[in-house]
Amino acid sequence: QVQLQESGPGLVKPSETLSLTCTVSGGSVNSDNYYWNWIRQPPGKGLEWIGNIYYSGHRNYNPSLSSRVTLSVDTSKNQFSLRLTSVTAADTAVYYCAREDEQYSSPYYYYYLDVWGKGTTVIVSS
Amino acid sequence: DIQMTQSPSSVSASVGDRVTITCRASQGVGSWLAWFQQKPGRAPKLLISSTSTLQSGVPSRFSGSGSGTDFTLTISSLQPEDFATYYCQQAHSFPRTFGQGTKVEVK
Repeated sequence: QVQLQESGPGLVKPSETLSLTCTVSGGSVNSDNYYWNWIRQPPGKGLEWIGNIYYSGHRNYNPSLSSRVTLSVDTSKNQFSLRLTSVTAADTAVYYCAREDEQYSSPYYYYYLDVWGKGTTVIVSS
Repeated sequence: DIQMTQSPSSVSASVGDRVTITCRASQGVGSWLAWFQQKPGRAPKLLISSTSTLQSGVPSRFSGSGSGTDFTLTISSLQPEDFATYYCQQAHSFPRTFGQGTKVEVK
């Protein structure tokens, strides 16, 4: 059974860079049909999709964050990562990594976030 | 971006009640609509994908319907473990977007 685990600093200073890694166990990041996602949730608020990456390196970003976000994948370590630059207090959130499954049901492909990490809290504060 | 709007924002209900949550998309998303359940301090859990496909292990009291812009999540007989916040999410296009959430509370 695939499991995801986020890791990284829990405290980041304003204007610095937030870096998180998601380690995939029980499966391979190097798999067809899976996209690897980051989603965040500010305290007491809803869910915001940050972006996703395919093992080939193809990426999709939320335009609201795209100028500050970089996603990468390391197939040798079975991990994918998030970098968010120039953080402010508004970036304080629980950050989740999640797998998006791609399934074909004629004539369409369907996508759904079926496996999530437990989340890691990142606080932006000096 | 496709905006997802859920209603109500919260609902007070009792065990055994039928609960219906609606989700409206600002433009058509076909059947690319999922529902998640989130409990405090936990990651969201996928309940339903592709509008109406129940995930393995999810009780049959949960059901989803709709297409295009209007979708519904129904809990036919609310159980104690169902008190939680529910989110819809569209997977029709990027960026993926979520509804603001509906909190199901104890009446």
